[in-house]
Amino acid sequence: RKEVEQDPGPFNVPEGATVAFNCTYSNSASQSFFWYRQDCRKEPKLLMSVYSSGNEDGRFTAQLNRASQYISLLIRDSKLSDSATYLCVVNSQGGGADGLTFGKGTHLIIQP
Amino acid sequence: GAGVSQSPRYKVAKRGQDVALRCDPISGHVSLFWYQQALGQGPEFLTYFQNEAQLDKSGLPSDRFFAERPEGSVSTLKIQRTQQEDSAVYLCASSLGTVRGYTFGSGTRLTVV
Repeated sequence: RKEVEQDPGPFNVPEGATVAFNCTYSNSASQSFFWYRQDCRKEPKLLMSVYSSGNEDGRFTAQLNRASQYISLLIRDSKLSDSATYLCVVNSQGGGADGLTFGKGTHLIIQP
Repeated sequence: GAGVSQSPRYKVAKRGQDVALRCDPISGHVSLFWYQQALGQGPEFLTYFQNEAQLDKSGLPSDRFFAERPEGSVSTLKIQRTQQEDSAVYLCASSLGTVRGYTFGSGTRLTVV
């Protein structure tokens, strides 16, 4: 079982809609969680950290459910520029003391 | 520099050739990581440095892969006798060293022909 699992999509969503996707992780000892965004042929960039209490940054809301070991990302009022691959990331001992383990990513396409 | 710098941006190598990929992290960042990203996949961990110490190399796929960071700043990932399956984007990232998000470089796209 892979440590971090995501639905690869693609999610085709009309502009202005709300979209949500989840990610599950297998290492119950994981302490840090992130969502990264990766545009085509670009490097991943940190979108937001995910805190136990949940957190919001503009149109983006991230939540963590430790009991069920999943993380979610909600995007409201989606924009064309939100089209990208969203990578779910957790820390993992297998990735080094500070190492992060990446999911394969969820591909999001916002359609006009 | 302001960001993580990697060179070369693109590298085409003939099978069997040795390659060296360079990463210049953000100044002051203690932790440095190398990841390999194949097409359509998420980045896969290769190795991790804290200053000059290589604390984890469990992700290196074979003994043809070698990484170093001799002075605790610039790092080099070397791949010997490249194979076609080594074709991927090699990403370097650095962080301040606590468990937080990384800053990635633009990557080196290696194509082995």
